[in-house]
Amino acid sequence: DAGITQSPRHKVTETGTPVTLRCHQTENHRYMYWYRQDPGHGLRLIHYSYGVKDTDKGEVSDGYSVSRSKTEDFLLTLESATSSQTSVYFCAIRRGDSPQEKLFFGSGTQLSVL
Amino acid sequence: GQSLEQPSEVTAVEGAIVQINCTYQTSGFYGLSWYQQHDGGAPTFLSYNGLDGLEETGRFSSFLSRSDSYGYLLLQELQMKDSASYFCAHALYSSYKLIFGSGTRLLVRP
Repeated sequence: DAGITQSPRHKVTETGTPVTLRCHQTENHRYMYWYRQDPGHGLRLIHYSYGVKDTDKGEVSDGYSVSRSKTEDFLLTLESATSSQTSVYFCAIRRGDSPQEKLFFGSGTQLSVL
Repeated sequence: GQSLEQPSEVTAVEGAIVQINCTYQTSGFYGLSWYQQHDGGAPTFLSYNGLDGLEETGRFSSFLSRSDSYGYLLLQELQMKDSASYFCAHALYSSYKLIFGSGTRLLVRP
């Protein structure tokens, strides 16, 4: 347990509705990441943050936005969910004294868009 | 792009040694890392090669050769609990983005 909590753990929603996933960390680390995982695609980076209000796009950012108003929280928002966004979403952190290749992951959020 | 290529599946026998390869077309990255993920679980960090050569951590070893654009994860004395997916990953210089390969599913048979 790296002090990362993702909520909710499971979510079922309908196409066109907004959805926000939350990642909360207890250790004040600067770098936070959102990944999605789908069969055959491994882990794909959606957005990441390198500080409060500092965020940038990853490989698959279309249809997603993020916000980081506090060090401990990194929010991922699907403005209008689509079935293609059905996936498992993982949040990750990088500890300050670790190389950027060493991330610690939360337990994930299973999102189903019907 | 930053693609990393891995075999999709590998099968091995309990007690044996297995090597999972990772090839890439990217230059200018810091190092190569490996992660393990059991079904239904989160990825967990296994090892990191910041320099060329072999890194050993217990039954697991990882190797990197930048000149060959190639790395591998070596698992020795395989146990049933090693059945999982394994991912290689790297990040480019001046980037905070850690990019993953598509993963190798390892099945350990009795």
